[in-house]
Amino acid sequence: QQPVQSPQAVILREGEDAVINCSSSKALYSVHWYRQKHGEAPVFLMILLKGGEQKGHEKISASFNEKKQQSSLYLTASQLSYSGTYFCGTDPYNTDKLIFGTGTRLQVFP
Amino acid sequence: EAGVAQSPRYKIIEKRQSVAFWCNPISGHATLYWYQQILGQGPKLLIQFQNNGVVDDSQLPKDRFSAERLKGVDSTLKIQPAKLEDSAVYLCASSWSGTVNTEAFFGQGTRLTVV
Repeated sequence: QQPVQSPQAVILREGEDAVINCSSSKALYSVHWYRQKHGEAPVFLMILLKGGEQKGHEKISASFNEKKQQSSLYLTASQLSYSGTYFCGTDPYNTDKLIFGTGTRLQVFP
Repeated sequence: EAGVAQSPRYKIIEKRQSVAFWCNPISGHATLYWYQQILGQGPKLLIQFQNNGVVDDSQLPKDRFSAERLKGVDSTLKIQPAKLEDSAVYLCASSWSGTVNTEAFFGQGTRLTVV
């Protein structure tokens, strides 16, 4: 039931792009993305809803394929501040009771 | 706006001892969550409150874990007795209620080490 994230780790130079994937075996109402820096609290990035609506703060883009129960997070022109571990949280019950994946560790170097 | 406050930040105890964690959510947030995050893994939901009522505690090991939310504001999570496998970061999060699909705000967590 836990979503699978890929890749497990990514190393980038500043300015490079990356894609992080999240795949669930269950039908989903929404996918939530969070970033966690080492020793800090997870910080909300965005929510992708069934039907196409998206909610988010940052200039990060993402997609949600409802039929495949997959979501992808697109990090373009990466900055040093993008470093951290990215978690997807899936919501199969429309309750905000999230099931988090194991995370993707992203490191951006100058 | 003040964030989610948790204390203590760190705790080391021996197995079979008891421990308690405290969380103060963002003012006005009716929904409160406790998550357990084992090193290298994603957060795992333990319990969800709506005001002072439990919405979901299906993944809370009730033989040793308990949680309460007094007056729908602060919350405490207790472990008694602790086991080695309870070593983890315990995260508290809160969100607005009334609708789903809202962002959760996390505290910095309490890192528990059971020796």
